[in-house]
Amino acid sequence: DTGVSQDPRHKITKRGQNVTFRCDPISEHNRLYWYRQTLGQGPEFLTYFQNEAQLEKSRLLSDRFSAERPKGSFSTLEIQRTEQGDSAMYLCASSLAIGSNTGELFFGEGSRLTVL
Amino acid sequence: TQLLEQSPQFLSIQEGENLTVYCNSSSVFSSLQWYRQEPGEGPVLLVTVVTGGEVKKLKRLTFQFGDARKDSSLHITAAQPGDTGLYLCAGIIQGAQKLVFGQGTRLTINP
Repeated sequence: DTGVSQDPRHKITKRGQNVTFRCDPISEHNRLYWYRQTLGQGPEFLTYFQNEAQLEKSRLLSDRFSAERPKGSFSTLEIQRTEQGDSAMYLCASSLAIGSNTGELFFGEGSRLTVL
Repeated sequence: TQLLEQSPQFLSIQEGENLTVYCNSSSVFSSLQWYRQEPGEGPVLLVTVVTGGEVKKLKRLTFQFGDARKDSSLHITAAQPGDTGLYLCAGIIQGAQKLVFGQGTRLTINP
């Protein structure tokens, strides 16, 4: 399968714990995006990378959130000291950007976080 | 503030009926996409429109991009229960690089 893969698919944690999600994009894609989606809402942009550079971060991304894409391939999203309000589906997407053309986004199946 | 406003947010109709979902903004978009999302899954791209006034058809689905590239619509003809799902419009604002989503339209087609 050469699509976007995310791990884990589901994570249940207690408030105050740290969690990390991993995303493996489509191999030839240079852009990688993280979104958060709560029940009944559309995805909200969190951050995106072009290769290993993090080019934009949403104000939604508090200092408890950090994302990395160290070698320009897979990415991790870490949430420290989780709060119940962090419960959501975390979606990763990748695209092939050519020049100023962002390209079409291909989404993974998401990582669902439940904070108790 | 939602950059892309979708309406209606919920729609429940009978099989065989037609429907239209709207996606509106005050911003100009360089491209606009429509996605469908099933529960517990990521969104799946249906179509991308890039030219003002563009119309694209995908079987019983017709997508239109407004002339000013600020709005779009999705029309479904003779809806079927298999069309049930969350429909999301998403666009790239002119000059920007990130894709922003509307809040979605949850569509239920009753047999």
